[in-house]
Amino acid sequence: DAGVIQSPRHEVTEMGQEVTLRCKPISGHNSLFWYRQTMMRGLELLIYFNNNVPIDDSGMPEDRFSAKMPNASFSTLKIQPSEPRDSAVYFCASSLRTGDEKLFFGSGTQLSVL
Amino acid sequence: SQQGEEDPQALSIQEGENATMNCSYKTSINNLQWYRQNSGRGLVHLILIRSNEREKHSGRLRVTLDTSKKSSSLLITASRAADTASYFCATFSGSARQLTFGSGTQLTVLP
Repeated sequence: DAGVIQSPRHEVTEMGQEVTLRCKPISGHNSLFWYRQTMMRGLELLIYFNNNVPIDDSGMPEDRFSAKMPNASFSTLKIQPSEPRDSAVYFCASSLRTGDEKLFFGSGTQLSVL
Repeated sequence: SQQGEEDPQALSIQEGENATMNCSYKTSINNLQWYRQNSGRGLVHLILIRSNEREKHSGRLRVTLDTSKKSSSLLITASRAADTASYFCATFSGSARQLTFGSGTQLTVLP
């Protein structure tokens, strides 16, 4: 099993540009999570999906952030327009079911907004 | 918001020594999990302990849970340089229906 796959590994963009982060969860996992990690705020849950349906997006910081899961094997996190304060490492994780099981994390996307 | 808070924030020990990290949390939980994060990598699950369990072992890892004190500890015995990483506790509560991570302990094991 290849694990959770995220792309790109690194993204450098200019303020105002659209950024799209991608995630492929582990096959057979029903829950998918997007986290953001910064030194100041630690690991924050942005949104999670169960069976491709968004369950809780209360962690999404602003309307500039949106996430989709069109099928069981793919999810995107989009930031439009991006701002320097969005610079962080964004992690995708999946689990067999919501929360009560261990999470499998991808390697993350290091986002730098200049 | 961060449910779990680890203590200490940073720990430096010699190879072969034991490392103990503590985690405190605020609300009732269904389970508590520990994760490791190597620099520049994603988090890796280490161990899960349920609210009705008091102690769990996995290899060189020993986790305890005290629900009355809302605290947990992670003990790594006979530490190795490869154990150098950040360690996070995470709590799952039925009411929140999500896993909430603490701020982490940075462990450095010196060869």
